[in-house]
Amino acid sequence: GAGVSQSPRYKVAKRGQDVALRCDPISGHVSLFWYQQALGQGPEFLTYFQNEAQLDKSGLPSDRFFAERPEGSVSTLKIQRTQQEDSAVYLCAVASQSYNEQFFGPGTRLTVL
Amino acid sequence: DQQVKQNSPSLSVQEGRISILNCDYTNSMFDYFLWYKKYPAEGPTFLISISSIKDKNEDGRFTVFLNKSAKHLSLHIVPSQPGDSAVYFCAASAAAGNKLTFGGGTRVLVKP
Repeated sequence: GAGVSQSPRYKVAKRGQDVALRCDPISGHVSLFWYQQALGQGPEFLTYFQNEAQLDKSGLPSDRFFAERPEGSVSTLKIQRTQQEDSAVYLCAVASQSYNEQFFGPGTRLTVL
Repeated sequence: DQQVKQNSPSLSVQEGRISILNCDYTNSMFDYFLWYKKYPAEGPTFLISISSIKDKNEDGRFTVFLNKSAKHLSLHIVPSQPGDSAVYFCAASAAAGNKLTFGGGTRVLVKP
């Protein structure tokens, strides 16, 4: 929706492996959000960027999670030393021009074995 | 501490009838509320929103009602169509443009 693509769509990782998840919004979106959605639950906020500045990372569950958006466009969410509890769908969203609504990408389903 | 709750995990309704989805919140700082629809293997799709200065917002078949004193909102879908079968999430933010806090979702099945 709203021109947000995410890759890969599916990722299987062995426990302890590092993974990188990419969010590629169409240009012009200032605000970018990452959410984590566990099976059967609603999405939970992870972190927020305004352009390249990470203004809120209060939702990152541990220091194994790291996000960046160096040029204010593409964003990468990196998870180091993955654990089974990291298995979830990771959603990227951009705010509308009015900043009132958020539009989500299709998500990356991460499975940690 | 769930700040946004959808107490009905599922709802089944006949095609053409009304679907009513409910959502309760606890954080009085929330002042902007949204509903999203989600199909399997897709991201949530924005449906409709409402600011706390209003008590009703309508868009086609979808109407959202907000009762601030009760910290309750509902989504009405009239008439329900089979294509409406999906999981619906309500979400809230402390200001437009801020991070969203989601409920756990309600799975709606519209029977032909």
